[in-house]
Amino acid sequence: EIVVTQSPLSLPVTPGEPASISCRSNQSLLHSHGFHYLDWYVQKPGQSPKLLISLASNRASGVPDRFSGSGSGTDFTLKITRVEAEDVGVYFCMQALETPYSFGQGTKLEIK
Amino acid sequence: QVHLVQSGAEVKKPGSSVKVSCEVSGATFGSYSLSWVRQAPGQGLEWMGRLIPIFETPNYAQKFQGRLTISADTGTKTAYMELSGLTSEDTAIYYCARDRPWLDPWGQGTLVTVSS
Repeated sequence: EIVVTQSPLSLPVTPGEPASISCRSNQSLLHSHGFHYLDWYVQKPGQSPKLLISLASNRASGVPDRFSGSGSGTDFTLKITRVEAEDVGVYFCMQALETPYSFGQGTKLEIK
Repeated sequence: QVHLVQSGAEVKKPGSSVKVSCEVSGATFGSYSLSWVRQAPGQGLEWMGRLIPIFETPNYAQKFQGRLTISADTGTKTAYMELSGLTSEDTAIYYCARDRPWLDPWGQGTLVTVSS
């Protein structure tokens, strides 16, 4: 099974400042189709998780362009260029290369 | 726009079973997988299994083999997740999500509480 590890687990950020979350897997997430099967989700308090980024770098519909995903192989990053108060929540990465899909532990972003 | 609506909260006794439904609207049912994910109180996300409705062949996480059944009714555009042999450790919010294989959108979640 693929293990996915996120860091940091807690991320206090001042509004307007950038933020970055790392996600690492214990094997490459490169699919034979040429895409990396790594997605990012955010779960705001009391809500269902919501897709932010698919296939490592494709922003989902309606997601602000201050969010970006990058990476390849086993190392991936979610970046927020300028954090806003509404970005508070728990961010998860998930590998979908093979089943069972596996999630990172989650990174709780809070506003300083 | 695709929308997933799940059944309401359940309270179950240890050893019993629960069946959660997930009704899909706004999309051709059966053309995509539907995955089930759960989240224990204050915990992270755990993928349980998935089903491509038109193929009717489920794929389960090893952890749930033998007590998890995922099924679908293409006529009513509804997917089901049934978990048997419930223990207190199965207390969680259960989510369905369209699986493309990125999970989007998600249902609103169904709280299942296992308590004697």
